[in-house]
Amino acid sequence: DSGVTQTPKHLITATGQRVTLRCSPRSGDLSVYWYQQSLDQGLQFLIQYYNGEERAKGNILERFSAQQFPDLHSELNLSSLELGDSALYFCASSVTGGYGANVLTFGAGSRLTVL
Amino acid sequence: GENVEQHPSTLSVQEGDSAVIKCTYSDSASNYFPWYKQELGKGPQLIIDIRSNVGEKKDQRIAVTLNKTAKHFSLHITETQPEDSAVYFCAAPGSARQLTFGSGTQLTVLP
Repeated sequence: DSGVTQTPKHLITATGQRVTLRCSPRSGDLSVYWYQQSLDQGLQFLIQYYNGEERAKGNILERFSAQQFPDLHSELNLSSLELGDSALYFCASSVTGGYGANVLTFGAGSRLTVL
Repeated sequence: GENVEQHPSTLSVQEGDSAVIKCTYSDSASNYFPWYKQELGKGPQLIIDIRSNVGEKKDQRIAVTLNKTAKHFSLHITETQPEDSAVYFCAAPGSARQLTFGSGTQLTVLP
């Protein structure tokens, strides 16, 4: 157990729907990251939050949004889902949120299947 | 932004042999180079990292070497065991404070 908790573990939904993925960071970590892992794309960085504020944004679609709450848990919202959104979504956390050298601790992931 | 290339994409070795995975990066300002191991059904786990002020770091059977001039770094696993079978990812910091990951190497250790 890495200390990073992600729910749900598996999610099956239909095209056009909206889902919310939840992440609780490791105790003491202030920064949360979201990554998407698909078979042909590897691990793609989506977005980072640090202590409630957006810190960095990667290849995140406009249909996706995220936030980090005062208790530091984070949610990733995926809307108008398409077949291509089927993937593993990983949350990671780190103590700090500065440039570059952050040791990331990953959760076990949420597997999203869009039918 | 940072571009990280990883080779090979698959690697099979006999138990007890060594395995080497190589990565190149593009941003000369990068100063932190971690390696993650992902087992089936789990999230990536940090196994070793190196910072740009050193050229090599070892931790038991694994080691990482860094050549900043050539902008490449490598993971070395000696005396491989079946439990080393997994997908390995290298990474380097991108321009937006995030880690950019390589495409991964599926390592299979044959008994």
